Amino acid sequence: DAKTTQPNSMESNEEEPVHLPCNHSTISGTDYIHWYRQLPSQGPEYVIHGLTSNVNNRMASLAIAEDRKSSTLILHRATLRDAAVYYCILSPGLLIQGAQKLVFGQGTRLTINP
Amino acid sequence: NAGVTQTPKFQVLKTGQSMTLQCAQDMNHNSMYWYRQDPGMGLRLIYYSASEGTTDKGEVPNGYNVSRLNKREFSLRLESAAPSQTSVYFCASRPTQGAREQYFGPGTRLTVT
Repeated sequence: DAKTTQPNSMESNEEEPVHLPCNHSTISGTDYIHWYRQLPSQGPEYVIHGLTSNVNNRMASLAIAEDRKSSTLILHRATLRDAAVYYCILSPGLLIQGAQKLVFGQGTRLTINP
Repeated sequence: NAGVTQTPKFQVLKTGQSMTLQCAQDMNHNSMYWYRQDPGMGLRLIYYSASEGTTDKGEVPNGYNVSRLNKREFSLRLESAAPSQTSVYFCASRPTQGAREQYFGPGTRLTVT
């Protein structure tokens, strides 16, 4: 399975944009890039996913490098509620027998300062 | 919609005891998953059920069994609990075969003494 590399921790200020990087130099051509986050004492929460093009949704934006060896999750205006561990995960495009096995690394712990 | 629900929220077991963790989803999702999360670590997949009637091993299946009771429910059983199974257990579900996102429950915190 292709692996991802993320910084252990990052810090930002409330109401400022946050850019969370992820390196995935061994990504295959059909791997999707997923982001999940986990707030304290809660289960993970889906944030966004993409394949090649940049993606936007109500929570965040995902910027994918042209060579797909890295990506960046962008929170446009951080709030205190965005303090969480953010996981960057690769998942094969072809889901054998419909199974999607997510492999979670240690993620990036994001701290938001008031 | 309650989403994904898990019971119990907390449980303390003695070594050798057995128990079943319950998971249910009311979103008519096809696939369901069991993960464990040890302190300071990411989640690891124990078992999954791609669709009703099927189950398969994940990354760390030893010491566990699962049952996909129906489309809604997916239970995880510890036959003889060990201290190494002290962890937080999360259940998740995924809508359809083409969907890419998983929805997680709130977790069960299990301590084995």
